[in-house]
Amino acid sequence: DTGVSQNPRHKITKRGQNVTFRCDPISEHNRLYWYRQTLGQGPEFLTYFQNEAQLEKSRLLSDRFSAERPKGSFSTLEIQRTEQGDSAMYLCASSWTVESYEQYFGPGTRLTVT
Amino acid sequence: AQSVTQPDIHITVSEGASLELRCNYSYGATPYLFWYVQSPGQGLQLLLKYFSGDTLVQGIKGFEAEFKRSQSSFNLRKPSVHWSDAAEYFCAVGGNFGNEKLTFGTGTRLTIIP
Repeated sequence: DTGVSQNPRHKITKRGQNVTFRCDPISEHNRLYWYRQTLGQGPEFLTYFQNEAQLEKSRLLSDRFSAERPKGSFSTLEIQRTEQGDSAMYLCASSWTVESYEQYFGPGTRLTVT
Repeated sequence: AQSVTQPDIHITVSEGASLELRCNYSYGATPYLFWYVQSPGQGLQLLLKYFSGDTLVQGIKGFEAEFKRSQSSFNLRKPSVHWSDAAEYFCAVGGNFGNEKLTFGTGTRLTIIP
């Protein structure tokens, strides 16, 4: 068990560019979550998956954001036409609904939009 | 709508002193409550959780929390803090044993002075 991993750890992009982040959950975990954390705030829920099905999306997830988990393993979060307000830490977490009752968080991807 | 309030943005305590971090929640059903800790550059780590039963729960690193339904509170305590406890602490509430979205408070930053 190597924990939840996220890549890249840091991303600097120019306004208007598209970015994609990857999350690899703990291998047996069937649920995967994305959160966004801005400076001085707690994480805010964006979306979550059970296996490959996206079960819930926050209204924070505008049409510029899309998340996928194509084979029920890793997930990608894409932001199109980035804006300065998208600058934040993007956190991924995973959990196993059978037994664990805990969301395990990755280290996050810090996005800076210039 | 579910919400979490952490009224203390920043707390400073002396090493060896006791600690209490406050958390109040609003949730329409059975709340599942969590405390996470976030150190700089690190992911969120679960300290403890409350699902049901005994209202005083023990966690890792010597932390405990008490659930008080009448006050909608879930305060975190530690009898004697160590310099390594300096970090950001987040209270969160969720449903379904934590296997759905979590709603976090804004966090309390803990500073330890010698």
